[in-house]
Amino acid sequence: AQRVTQPEKLLSVFKGAPVELKCNYSYSGSPELFWYVQYSRQRLQLLLRHISRESIKGFTADLNKGETSFHLKKPFAQEEDSAMYYCALLISNYKLTFGKGTLLTVNP
Amino acid sequence: GAGVSQSPSNKVTEKGKDVELRCDPISGHTALYWYRQRLGQGLEFLIYFQGNSAPDKSGLPSDRFSAERTGESVSTLTIQRTQQEDSAVYLCASSLPSGNQETQYFGPGTRLLVL
Repeated sequence: AQRVTQPEKLLSVFKGAPVELKCNYSYSGSPELFWYVQYSRQRLQLLLRHISRESIKGFTADLNKGETSFHLKKPFAQEEDSAMYYCALLISNYKLTFGKGTLLTVNP
Repeated sequence: GAGVSQSPSNKVTEKGKDVELRCDPISGHTALYWYRQRLGQGLEFLIYFQGNSAPDKSGLPSDRFSAERTGESVSTLTIQRTQQEDSAVYLCASSLPSGNQETQYFGPGTRLLVL
């Protein structure tokens, strides 16, 4: 069965510290993975997708098929990065399966 | 341009009543999706529309749930005889035709509370 696991419900770091939000997936097909972010009082929005291999707001994520992981990383966290982060797996080209999310707090 | 809009933003209802939730997708987005997020959980897929057709309704939790879409635009999610376990945030998303990893753009959600 398809599944996305985000093992940390809460993650707290200090400003300027590195941050890594973990995501593991279970899927028999070729995975297409995304990170979505929801800032306070805003709607859910796409942060990045693995096929783009891009860096958005300083965040990167590398797909590791051997470890079935797609961890989100940023070398120097900023206070404005505080938000809820969801990892998602695309199934059948249209259905997103989400993890339960990680609430990131960046302290000053 | 305008994003996905949903109404109402909040709905409180009594157990056993029917509710209708509305989604207005981004103009030109032929694909539309409904998801549900219960407290402390990730988003669960409910249904997918391509145009006015729903090729995948597999996520609808029971026959009390139904959805329709008209004019390749507005969609309505209806929950009949609501139960307390239906309390959740219902999110709608839209995208250009699916099949090419098109970005799904989410609405603000409707927070449903069943008393």
